Amino acid sequence: NAGVTQTPKFQVLKTGQSMTLQCAQDMNHEYMSWYRQDPGMGLRLIHYSVGAGITDQGEVPNGYNVSRSTTEDFPLRLLSAAPSQTSVYFCASTPRKGIPSSGANVLTFGAGSRLTVL
Amino acid sequence: KQEVTQIPAALSVPEGENLVLNCSFTDSAIYNLQWFRQDPGKGLTSLLLIQSSQREQTSGRLNASLDKSSGRSTLYIAASQPGDSATYLCAVGDSGAGSYQLTFGKGTKLSVIP
Repeated sequence: NAGVTQTPKFQVLKTGQSMTLQCAQDMNHEYMSWYRQDPGMGLRLIHYSVGAGITDQGEVPNGYNVSRSTTEDFPLRLLSAAPSQTSVYFCASTPRKGIPSSGANVLTFGAGSRLTVL
Repeated sequence: KQEVTQIPAALSVPEGENLVLNCSFTDSAIYNLQWFRQDPGKGLTSLLLIQSSQREQTSGRLNASLDKSSGRSTLYIAASQPGDSATYLCAVGDSGAGSYQLTFGKGTKLSVIP
């Protein structure tokens, strides 16, 4: 049981390049989300998904795309990287809301992906 | 828009002390509140989750309380140890989406001095 796995851990891009941050979870969690963490700003929600085929925008979605073709995977795509997207990105998942289990609603985070855009 | 504030931003205590970390939020219509721990260069680890109907949760030396009406939560750490040194984050789940849309505070960086 690996939990939430993010790849790559580190990436350096040039302005204008595109790339995909991968996120996979093996806990059969329906809900997945992407956050970015910047110094002095805290964590901010980029996009989230309540199940396969369903995605929605968070607080800071501009410049990012997501898709959810399977329950396990939730990739984050940077279409044309900008220096303002330099950040640490975290993927997180949680079981289906409302199920009365001990793990319900607890958010499990990946280890993060540190992205630098030059 | 929900805003979450954590005070103090940094705290340094000698080993063995009991301490309290504070979290306040502006909109009391929350679904739940979670406390996380983050070690340098690492992801977040969930410590305690309090549902909106609960007043407190305990895990080992940690106790978290929630007062929705006043928009406050506290994390109490008993008998602090150097291994407790980390950044502690408070996050509020809104009433529409629960844990799936959390608003985070900026954290309190705790240093426990041996």
